[in-house]
Amino acid sequence: DTAVSQTPKYLVTQMGNDKSIKCEQNLGHDTMYWYKQDSKKFLKIMFSYNNKELIINETVPNRFSPKSPDKAHLNLHINSLELGDSAVYFCASSQGAQEETQYFGPGTRLLVL
Amino acid sequence: GQNIDQPTEMTATEGAIVQINCTYQTSGFNGLFWYQQHAGEAPTFLSYNVLDGLEEKGRFSSFLSRSKGYSYLLLKELQMKDSASYLCAVRVFQKLVFGTGTRLLVSP
Repeated sequence: DTAVSQTPKYLVTQMGNDKSIKCEQNLGHDTMYWYKQDSKKFLKIMFSYNNKELIINETVPNRFSPKSPDKAHLNLHINSLELGDSAVYFCASSQGAQEETQYFGPGTRLLVL
Repeated sequence: GQNIDQPTEMTATEGAIVQINCTYQTSGFNGLFWYQQHAGEAPTFLSYNVLDGLEEKGRFSSFLSRSKGYSYLLLKELQMKDSASYLCAVRVFQKLVFGTGTRLLVSP
């Protein structure tokens, strides 16, 4: 029944490792997003896909690579993890790129040691 | 650049009314949103304003003045469960730009 789901919920890993976070939405939405929320609770857009096409790509290190196999899924792969990558990563979706309401997933808490 | 300002923290008592202000200076404007985020949880949508004026939704109302770059969220009949962070966000073209959020603490 969960509208936007993410796995894993928690991720603890060592510096230098590569990890992936998965996101799925069952709302039939066309647009999906990745946000990063840092320790000061500041929420910032990273990427957005509309119907599997990348439409927003903020200034994010190229160690971060999103992939959308279909419009219900948006995954985030992070290479060579750094301490500063520790944050909560939220996936979100909306009906369209112009639609008003974005629905957020529960978040993935990433801790890089 | 984009600038969205909110007070960092506010306190209020159960049953009271509180107003959380948000001022913005952005390179574009396609609407302003308020989200609620409880600690350790995802943000949830509260309200959306694209035209000037007041939008009311139960105990919550949101106001927008585009000429002043200003919005507020009004919470009436405060309940303990309203203790949360309230995030103001402006849609700039296709993306949401969030403020740093206001942490509201409701005490008995």
